[in-house]
Amino acid sequence: NAGVTQTPKFQVLKTGQSMTLQCAQDMNHEYMSWYRQDPGMGLRLIHYSVGAGITDQGEVPNGYNVSRSTTEDFPLRLLSAAPSQTSVYFCASSPPGLRGTQYFGPGTRLLVL
Amino acid sequence: QQPVQSPQAVILREGEDAVINCSSSKALYSVHWYRQKHGEAPVFLMILLKGGEQKGHEKISASFNEKKQQSSLYLTASQLSYSGTYFCGTDHSGGGADGLTFGKGTHLIIQP
Repeated sequence: NAGVTQTPKFQVLKTGQSMTLQCAQDMNHEYMSWYRQDPGMGLRLIHYSVGAGITDQGEVPNGYNVSRSTTEDFPLRLLSAAPSQTSVYFCASSPPGLRGTQYFGPGTRLLVL
Repeated sequence: QQPVQSPQAVILREGEDAVINCSSSKALYSVHWYRQKHGEAPVFLMILLKGGEQKGHEKISASFNEKKQQSSLYLTASQLSYSGTYFCGTDHSGGGADGLTFGKGTHLIIQP
């Protein structure tokens, strides 16, 4: 099993550009989430999904869009990148039986100029 | 609301013990502990469920006091490999589907 994979590892964007951060898992987990990590802030939840076709907003959803067409994939879209979105983004999946335990991908480092 | 972790940072000599605390203002269903090395993803250590049970993982153990809405992580006879940032994540819904709310982290530095 590859676990949770994320692409790209690094990305530099200009303000106003859009892009999609990819996330895939091969563990057949129903639950998937996106977090952002900023220095001194910990991990903050952006969006989450409890299954294919079902998504919901987390703590900091503004400027981001998600969809979940399959159990395996959960892409995160930045609609119009802003410098405030410079961060490290982690995708995570969770099996229902472990009550929310998050298995994290390796992360994507995003710099918005 | 974000749980509060204390201390923010701690420096230890190898072999010393440490305690990291996590406190929430909301009722907790479970508390999760993670360790993150620099430049890497957080790694799951353990989960504490309602009931005050204490769990262990090698020389790392944790407790959960649901009445006080607090959890503590105990690292005994610390090793160099324990260095990193420790996060607690709290689950308030019980289902676990809507992610976790994480504290800001505790930086642990172990010196030889």
